[in-house]
Amino acid sequence: NAGVTQTPKFRILKIGQSMTLQCTQDMNHNYMYWYRQDPGMGLKLIYYSVGAGITDKGEVPNGYNVSRSTTEDFPLRLELAAPSQTSVYFCASSYWEGGIYNSPLHFGNGTRLTVT
Amino acid sequence: KNEVEQSPQNLTAQEGEFITINCSYSVGISALHWLQQHPGGGIVSLFMLSSGKKKHGRLIATINIQEKHSSLHITASHPRDSAVYICAVKRETSGSRLTFGEGTQLTVNP
Repeated sequence: NAGVTQTPKFRILKIGQSMTLQCTQDMNHNYMYWYRQDPGMGLKLIYYSVGAGITDKGEVPNGYNVSRSTTEDFPLRLELAAPSQTSVYFCASSYWEGGIYNSPLHFGNGTRLTVT
Repeated sequence: KNEVEQSPQNLTAQEGEFITINCSYSVGISALHWLQQHPGGGIVSLFMLSSGKKKHGRLIATINIQEKHSSLHITASHPRDSAVYICAVKRETSGSRLTFGEGTQLTVNP
């Protein structure tokens, strides 16, 4: 069971470049999330999805876009990368039904992104 | 002031010691999570609780909803317990979204 798989693990971008962080899960979870973690700070929610075709903004969505065409995949797109987007990015998933979690949160191993 | 506050921020212990990490929150919640982030960066869910107490091996998590406080205890600590421990709450009004504390860095020396 692979769980939540994120790629790439590391990436260096120049200012203004674009890239897509990939996230896929094989647990048939309906909820998926993208977080960023800055040094000494708590995880901040960028975007989340409650199911295929449905996405919504989190706390810090500016500069990012997402899509959820399938249950398994939830890619995060960075357009026009900026130094402020240097961070570690985590994808996570869970199963949520009837107003309660039915599974713990499962996290990917993270993507360390540097924008210079 | 953050909605979720953890204490201490850093904790150093000797192998075998009993460890307590605290989490206080200022909003109404329906669930609280304890997560462990390994030195390599991976994050693992340890507990999800909405009342009372849960135990898994040497780890115990408690929550007092009235006092808006949770504790994570580690008995007979071991160097492999060295990690960042993160508290996160699901607010009553936020659907499935979580608000995270800044984490407690635990170092257990042999």
